[in-house]
Amino acid sequence: AQSVSQHNHHVILSEAASLELGCNYSYGGTVNLFWYVQYPGQHLQLLLKYFSGDPLVKGIKGFEAEFIKSKFSFNLRKPSVQWSDTAEYFCAVMEGRRALTFGSGTRLQVQP
Amino acid sequence: KAGVTQTPRYLIKTRGQQVTLSCSPISGHRSVSWYQQTPGQGLQFLFEYFSETQRNKGNFPGRFSGRQFSNSRSEMNVSTLELGDSALYLCASSLDGGSSTDTQYFGPGTRLTVL
Repeated sequence: AQSVSQHNHHVILSEAASLELGCNYSYGGTVNLFWYVQYPGQHLQLLLKYFSGDPLVKGIKGFEAEFIKSKFSFNLRKPSVQWSDTAEYFCAVMEGRRALTFGSGTRLQVQP
Repeated sequence: KAGVTQTPRYLIKTRGQQVTLSCSPISGHRSVSWYQQTPGQGLQFLFEYFSETQRNKGNFPGRFSGRQFSNSRSEMNVSTLELGDSALYLCASSLDGGSSTDTQYFGPGTRLTVL
């Protein structure tokens, strides 16, 4: 079965620091990749998605992610975080027409 | 466009009872998926409905069931509630669930507490 690993469970950064959250998946075939964010008290929101084409995708709020097929990875990055980026981040994979498989999430805390 | 709406937002039940949760998808979306979110197990897929038919099912017991109506609204039902069913239940909608570029959009969830 498909599995998704997020290596960092809790990350604490100062404002203006750079962010990289790791995501690895297990399936070797064609997949669609997503990052969702859950701000405190809010619902899951789509940050960005990758289906095909340019492996570097840009999302909302200055986030981007790079798909590296050889490493089965889809890491999320942001050059300079803000306090408002404090949230939980979920990587998700969809294989074919199946359901989303989520990673366990990374809780990001940005200190002002 | 209005987003995915779920009712009720909060629910408290006791063990052995049953519960029904409701989800209204984004207008024009025909696929509705349900997920359970708990601190221990994270986000897990329950089932997906399209055109009033269950198309995919996760690894949950038969106490968890759902249905979809002709207007794409969906309900999920949990019978004989157990303490472990306490969770945030999320509904997600997408255009058709079958396209290679389909994207799921989530509602705010229903927080179920089983006492």
